[in-house]
Amino acid sequence: GENVEQHPSTLSVQEGDSAVIKCTYSDSASNYFPWYKQELGKRPQLIIDIRSNVGEKKDQRIAVTLNKTAKHFSLHITETQPEDSAVYFCAARRSQGNLIFGKGTKLSVKP
Amino acid sequence: DGGITQSPKYLFRKEGQNVTLSCEQNLNHDAMYWYRQDPGQGLRLIYYSQIVNDFQKGDIAEGYSVSREKKESFPLTVTSAQKNPTAFYLCASSPSWDQPQHFGDGTRLSIL
Repeated sequence: GENVEQHPSTLSVQEGDSAVIKCTYSDSASNYFPWYKQELGKRPQLIIDIRSNVGEKKDQRIAVTLNKTAKHFSLHITETQPEDSAVYFCAARRSQGNLIFGKGTKLSVKP
Repeated sequence: DGGITQSPKYLFRKEGQNVTLSCEQNLNHDAMYWYRQDPGQGLRLIYYSQIVNDFQKGDIAEGYSVSREKKESFPLTVTSAQKNPTAFYLCASSPSWDQPQHFGDGTRLSIL
């Protein structure tokens, strides 16, 4: 069935370093890929998204890249800060219109 | 987002009881969604509604029911048929099915 694989499940970096989280999807009809950040005990918040007609999108220190041929997309965070510590979820929109989520990556940024 | 309200924040259920979780939005969004979140499992879709008076099953609908009689409201009932209901439940909405989803603060359900 359809699924989204997300790696790694945990990621620890030093403050100032870059962090990369990768996702692969199985539904070739998927055309929208959001990323959410969830701090402990709080709601997931949309931080960036990309549609299948573009290959890359940037917003300050975060960027998302999409490779439709390989069916994978990645989140890049540069110059990480302690407040970037959270769980990050990728998702892909299915042909029915709803989202399927990856299992999450717990990012820890050490000062 | 301030426009999506889930209540209560914490909920306790006895074995064999049905319980209803509330989700209200004042954003005039057509689409609403219910997800279940378990540790290490990500978010799994329970039910979704792309327009008022219509809804569809998601990936884990067994033991749950919903209604969408009003545009602003999408309550979720966890029935006694759901054998492992302890989880964090998140409601989301979007202006339409193809627009970004935004989440409420969630309800944490526990079994007494």
